[in-house]
Amino acid sequence: AQKVTQAQTEISVVEKEDVTLDCVYETRDTTYYLFWYKQPPSGELVFLIRRNSFDEQNEISGRYSWNFQKSTSSFNFTITASQVVDSAVYFCALSERGNAGNMLTFGGGTRLMVKP
Amino acid sequence: DTAVSQTPKYLVTQMGNDKSIKCEQNLGHDTMYWYKQDSKKFLKIMFSYNNKELIINETVPNRFSPKSPDKAHLNLHINSLELGDSAVYFCASSQGWGGSYEQYFGPGTRLTVT
Repeated sequence: AQKVTQAQTEISVVEKEDVTLDCVYETRDTTYYLFWYKQPPSGELVFLIRRNSFDEQNEISGRYSWNFQKSTSSFNFTITASQVVDSAVYFCALSERGNAGNMLTFGGGTRLMVKP
Repeated sequence: DTAVSQTPKYLVTQMGNDKSIKCEQNLGHDTMYWYKQDSKKFLKIMFSYNNKELIINETVPNRFSPKSPDKAHLNLHINSLELGDSAVYFCASSQGWGGSYEQYFGPGTRLTVT
């Protein structure tokens, strides 16, 4: 069965600090997909990134970067020079290729608070 | 234009009532979903629906039933509402059925059962 663990339930930083959100997953499938979503205080869920299990190349998008390591089953998310607008709950999620119905399994989320 | 929309945004009702939440997507996607987010922010899949094929999460009570009049709509009907049904319900859609497709979520419907 698939499982996603986000051990950090809450992180508080001061603006301009760098912060890393951890995500550890479990799956028996050899082909799987990892996602990050952002849920700002307004409540909607915003898709940030998708990663395939066969592509371990790290990705950078502006202040956001993602570090995928199959050896440790981790898919961590780093925000560089954090801003108050980054305050949100961030969810890591997993989907397996053999997953009927494309169902996402979410981690419990990490609440990030960026203080001015 | 909103890609995935839900109505209503808030729904307050009493125990035992039957209610529906509507979802529409204008992305041309083939697959739609319903998720439940509880008070601790935990998100759980309820249903996945593609071209009349329905995959149901086994933990979902049969009081919940999705209905899809067409590819762009997936409504959620809930019978005999219980206090524990209070949550935020999210509709989502994706381009395809396989595990690789990212899902786009609606704004959520906050259901409060009193």
